[in-house]
Amino acid sequence: NAGVTQTPKFQVLKTGQSMTLQCAQDMNHEYMSWYRQDPGMGLRLIHYSVGAGITDQGEVPNGYNVSRSTTEDFPLRLLSAAPSQTSVYFCATKNTGHGGNQPQHFGDGTRLSIL
Amino acid sequence: ELKVEQNPLFLSMQEGKNYTIYCNYSTTSDRLYWYRQDPGKSLESLFVLLSNGAVKQEGRLMASLDTKARLSTLHITAAVHDLSATYFCAVDRAGTASKLTFGTGTRLQVTL
Repeated sequence: NAGVTQTPKFQVLKTGQSMTLQCAQDMNHEYMSWYRQDPGMGLRLIHYSVGAGITDQGEVPNGYNVSRSTTEDFPLRLLSAAPSQTSVYFCATKNTGHGGNQPQHFGDGTRLSIL
Repeated sequence: ELKVEQNPLFLSMQEGKNYTIYCNYSTTSDRLYWYRQDPGKSLESLFVLLSNGAVKQEGRLMASLDTKARLSTLHITAAVHDLSATYFCAVDRAGTASKLTFGTGTRLQVTL
């Protein structure tokens, strides 16, 4: 996906470890968000940001922190990984102009396993 | 709480056949989106539906929206193997910072 870059693509952690999932975009979109995808549950919103310096919680925020110091970057931090956080994580951005009627653009995802 | 339900969850169909995927949502929403996801891949935007009666078509896929019934459909015409994927619908509301609520997805398998 041109424009939204997620790193790493795969990661294995032990319970209790911390890590940061990176998301960078070059489309100058104000809106960025993080979702997790679990089998049979679709995607669920973790945190989102409507612009640099502004973040808010989504549907499943517990265990995750975010910050947005620049328009381009929106990292997701796991402070103390738990097996329940094993999932595929997607970052998405959106052009909020044009009445906000554009779709969100998704990155390629990070597959995270917590042992 | 906004809920989005899709059915069926799994659909196996033969090439050349027609079928419809249904997406129901529980409260008033302003925008409905359809996405496609291939196994192990990202989500690709297919359609954005904004108003009652909206219909959009791309190739063998046609999406429609009935806001009064809170229902969207994704119709597949003369399916081909390349359409095999998981299809998600999602909704959000204007003024809610574009927080998407997704359905659980419909896994479509088109067999020869």
